[in-house]
Amino acid sequence: EIVLTQSPGTLSFSPGERATLSCRASQSVSSTYLAWYQQKPGQAPRLLIYGASNRATGIPDRFSGSGSGADFTLTISRLEPEDFAVYYCQHYGSSLPITFGQGTRLEIK
Amino acid sequence: EVQLVESGGGLVQPGRSLRLSCAASGFMFGEYGMYWVRQAPGKGLEWVSYLSWNSVNIGYADSVKGRFTISRDNAKNSLYLQMNSLRTEDTAFYHCAKRAGSDYYFDYWGQGTLVTVSS
Repeated sequence: EIVLTQSPGTLSFSPGERATLSCRASQSVSSTYLAWYQQKPGQAPRLLIYGASNRATGIPDRFSGSGSGADFTLTISRLEPEDFAVYYCQHYGSSLPITFGQGTRLEIK
Repeated sequence: EVQLVESGGGLVQPGRSLRLSCAASGFMFGEYGMYWVRQAPGKGLEWVSYLSWNSVNIGYADSVKGRFTISRDNAKNSLYLQMNSLRTEDTAFYHCAKRAGSDYYFDYWGQGTLVTVSS
């Protein structure tokens, strides 16, 4: 089973700044099978990125994903107030099980 | 518009059972695999179970294997999770989620229903 580590647990930024979130896998994985989700308090998670770098429908282009091997990154180019939330990476492979990172909370500085 | 609405959560004693439901609309339910994912209050996401569109392929997390059973009724656009022998560590919000086509990520999620296991 692939273990995903997101660090640090909390990041602090000001609106307008660029944020880079990290997701590291316990072994090399195919970038085809890496997704990112955003979750705001009291809401369901929302798909942002799939296949490591593909934006989901309706996701603003300030969100971008990259990476390969065991290291993946979610970048938010210019933070908007609504971007402060918790972000999870997910590995889904070509079969089960599915694993999530423990999440990174993006908070306003 | 895709909608997933969970129900059936509540307070239950350890060792008892509960059945969750997920009502789907806005897409061809019978053509997609579906999942249950849970989230303990204030904690991260944990995949629980998966069921393919035709109920042939099934998967469970080790933490629930042998205790939980996933099922679906395509005629009713509904997904279910039968939870037996509940433990305090099963306390969580339970979300149903839709599989995105041929890959195992989730493109839509429900808001979740809270299951609290406590004596």
